[in-house]
Amino acid sequence: DAKTTQPPSMDCAEGRAANLPCNHSTISGNEYVYWYRQIHSQGPQYIIHGLKNNETNEMASLIITEDRKSSTLILPHATLRDTAVYYCIVLDSSNTGKLIFGQGTTLQVKP
Amino acid sequence: DGGITQSPKYLFRKEGQNVTLSCEQNLNHDAMYWYRQDPGQGLRLIYYSQIVNDFQKGDIAEGYSVSREKKESFPLTVTSAQKNPTAFYLCASSVQGMGNQPQHFGDGTRLSIL
Repeated sequence: DAKTTQPPSMDCAEGRAANLPCNHSTISGNEYVYWYRQIHSQGPQYIIHGLKNNETNEMASLIITEDRKSSTLILPHATLRDTAVYYCIVLDSSNTGKLIFGQGTTLQVKP
Repeated sequence: DGGITQSPKYLFRKEGQNVTLSCEQNLNHDAMYWYRQDPGQGLRLIYYSQIVNDFQKGDIAEGYSVSREKKESFPLTVTSAQKNPTAFYLCASSVQGMGNQPQHFGDGTRLSIL
């Protein structure tokens, strides 16, 4: 079972920041938070991951709360091409790498 | 360009037929994975391999088989024993099979029954 909770859907205006929340209240100390997204009929795309510190790359920023029980993925300037299902996943560092995808959040970016 | 190539994009299987899905990566990754996705559902792990000549069953391995004879290749065979093979099949790879390293996915193969 997925160990994360995400809202089923969100809307965002084009050009604005999209903030996608994720709850992972049972996360343990050696579990990483991963974000992927999937555009219809394509393979999932890796976005970003982190353990404790906030992370930023060319696609997005990941903000992890101090108690690590929740996180937020930020797309700073959403475009129509960012419309997708976004998945938040927690993964043990010693895990063989099996990803467990929950239902995710469907982000609709509107003009 | 480095990446993961899955072929074919679409595949049709007749009743009682085995079919093989190809997955090739040129990322020099040690670990490779096969997932199945049904409509409106998340991914489920079929098989994974952390090194050449070794692989392990995932959560839904029945009716599937794999081989890992080369580092860059991890083909999946859907056998006639898989009674409900219609799905979207995704191959992924990572540097090593560890939870602190991201997996990167191919574009998938969509399998249907004739």
